[in-house]
Amino acid sequence: QLQLQESGPGLVKPSETLSLTCTVSGGSISSSDYYWGWIRQPPGKGLEWIGNIFYSGSTYYNPSLKSRVTIFVDTSKNQFSLKLSSVTAADTAVYYCARLGFCSSVTCYADYWGQGTLVTVSS
Amino acid sequence: EIVLTQSPATLSLSPGERATLSCRASQSISSYLAWYQQKPGQAPRLLIYDASNRATGIPARFSGSGSGADFTLTISSLEPEDFAVYYCQQRSSWPLTFGPGTKVDLK
Repeated sequence: QLQLQESGPGLVKPSETLSLTCTVSGGSISSSDYYWGWIRQPPGKGLEWIGNIFYSGSTYYNPSLKSRVTIFVDTSKNQFSLKLSSVTAADTAVYYCARLGFCSSVTCYADYWGQGTLVTVSS
Repeated sequence: EIVLTQSPATLSLSPGERATLSCRASQSISSYLAWYQQKPGQAPRLLIYDASNRATGIPARFSGSGSGADFTLTISSLEPEDFAVYYCQQRSSWPLTFGPGTKVDLK
């Protein structure tokens, strides 16, 4: 059974960099059948797609966040990670990692999700 | 960016009733639409992909239809565990986007 688990600090100061890691178990992140992605949800609000990564390292970012986002993969550890720089209170959200399937090129659906981790931006 | 709108915002129904949820895209997205269910404190769960295909393990009471810009999720007979928020998501073009959600609550 595939499982994804987010990890990282739950509190980040304004202007600093948010860093999260997703550990994948029960399956290989190096599969050519899937992308891997990050999605976030501010408290009480809807879902926003952050970006996708393929095991080769190819990345695709939401233009609304592109200047601040980096996603990278470590196949040796079966992990992928998110960095979001210059955070503000507007970046407070539950951050989900997900396996992305049913893809045409980079456009996919999220068929397996982590449980999510709340990151609060506050001094 | 493709904008998805969902209606109604809230749907108040009783167990056993039929639920009909709508998702409309700002331009044609062919059949590249998914539906997710989210319960409080949980991650979303994929229900339907490519407009009408049930994901693995999803009960037959969930069905999806539509193409182009108008889509519908139907729950034929609501079970107690179906009261939740439902989101649509398009994969026609980047960036991938979600609708704002429809909450199905207990009448």
